[in-house]
Amino acid sequence: AQSVTQPDIHITVSEGASLELRCNYSYGATPYLFWYVQSPGQGLQLLLKYFSGDTLVQGIKGFEAEFKRSQSSFNLRKPSVHWSDAAEYFCAVGRGYGGSQGNLIFGKGTKLSVKP
Amino acid sequence: DAGVTQSPTHLIKTRGQHVTLRCSPISGHKSVSWYQQVLGQGPQFIFQYYEKEERGRGNFPDRFSARQFPNYSSELNVNALLLGDSALYLCASSLDDRVYGYTFGSGTRLTVV
Repeated sequence: AQSVTQPDIHITVSEGASLELRCNYSYGATPYLFWYVQSPGQGLQLLLKYFSGDTLVQGIKGFEAEFKRSQSSFNLRKPSVHWSDAAEYFCAVGRGYGGSQGNLIFGKGTKLSVKP
Repeated sequence: DAGVTQSPTHLIKTRGQHVTLRCSPISGHKSVSWYQQVLGQGPQFIFQYYEKEERGRGNFPDRFSARQFPNYSSELNVNALLLGDSALYLCASSLDDRVYGYTFGSGTRLTVV
């Protein structure tokens, strides 16, 4: 079955510290992978996406993610966290084209808190 | 440029009632998808429409229906509301039916009492 697992429900880091959010997926076809961020009461904002090519992808707000096919992982990283990064982060997988098999499957999310 | 617009932003309904949620995609976008996000969970796919045709349906009961209009806006309808339908309903639009083109709206918060 297709699924996305985000093992960490809640993470707290100090401002200025580095961050890594974990994401593992199970998907039959070649996956398209995404990280989204959601602030309280808001919709989802795309941070970055991976389709093919270089397995290290850069996104907005200083985030990056690395695709590791052998580990079925797509972990999100940031070298130095800012207080404004406090939000909920969702990893998602999709096929790329429409239809019920082609839409996004989301993980349950990781809530990030930032200590001053 | 206006983003994806959803209305209303919040609403409260009683069990058994019907609700209609609306979504206006980004200008030029022809595909609209709907997701349900229950508190503490990730979004779950409900429907996708592209060029006014249903392109996909998630694992939701027949109480859920949707349509897309000639101007590419969309409505999500839910009949016979249950308490478990309380959620944030997200609309996403894209140029075509490709997942990687999604832009999400801010959602409609539905509370069923």
